[in-house]
Amino acid sequence: QSVLTQPPSASGTPGQRVIITCSGSRSNIGSDYVYWYQHLPGTAPKLLIYRDNERPSGVPDRFSASKSGTSASLAISGLRSEDEADYYCAAWDGSLSGVFGGGTKLTVL
Amino acid sequence: EVQLVESGGGMEKPGGSLRLSCAASGLTFRNAWMSWVRQAPGKGLEWVGRIRSKTDGGTTDYAAPMKGRFTISRDDSRNTVFLQVNSLKTEDTGAYFCTTVGYKYGFGSFDFWGQGILVTVSS
Repeated sequence: QSVLTQPPSASGTPGQRVIITCSGSRSNIGSDYVYWYQHLPGTAPKLLIYRDNERPSGVPDRFSASKSGTSASLAISGLRSEDEADYYCAAWDGSLSGVFGGGTKLTVL
Repeated sequence: EVQLVESGGGMEKPGGSLRLSCAASGLTFRNAWMSWVRQAPGKGLEWVGRIRSKTDGGTTDYAAPMKGRFTISRDDSRNTVFLQVNSLKTEDTGAYFCTTVGYKYGFGSFDFWGQGILVTVSS
C-alpha cells in the first residue's frame, strides 16, 4: 500500500488530454512539493515535474501539473504514442522520508 | 552531462549481504545529496534512503522498512555512493536505482537517475 494514491491505469487516444491524479495527506503533499516521474520499463526514470508544477529543461510543455491541498494532478495534452509509460508522483513525508505513489500505467490507444 | 552508473548487483542467497556502488560523473559530487530507489518485479518505485553531502553533515535517512538492514555511504574521493544491504530477503529482489537529490531541479527532486542494477535474492 503506497503512501500516495494514484489510479493504477489511465488511457487516451493520440491528441487527447489525460489527467493522472495523486492523493496524499497533510504530512506529505499538504506540506511539501510534489514531483512527477515518467518511467519506461527497462530504462532510467525521468524527472517530469518538480516543485509542484515546474518542468526541467527538455520536458515538453504538453506536460503540466497542479496541486491543491493534499492532492495533485499531472496533465498530458496532445497525447502521443511515446507518452505510453508509467507515471509516479512523489513527495517528502515529514521532510525526512521520500514517498511515491503506486504508479499509473498510461496506455495510448 | 550527469551520469550515474550502478554496479554490484546479481544473484545472492537469503541471509547474505551485498554492496551496490554508484559511480557519478558530470557533477560536483561532493555537493550532491544522493539517494537509492528500488523497484520490485511488477511493482512501483520505492524510496530506500538518502545521504547528504558532507557539507550538510553527511547524514542519512531511510524509509521505515529499510532501517536496520540498509546502509548508505559515500566516498567523495571516488565520486561514488554505496548501498549495503544485510540479511537479504527474497523481497529485496528488484532493480535498484541511484539518484541525485535536488542537484539541479529543486531541493527534494530525484533529478538524475542511473539505469539501475538488478538484484535477485533466491536460494
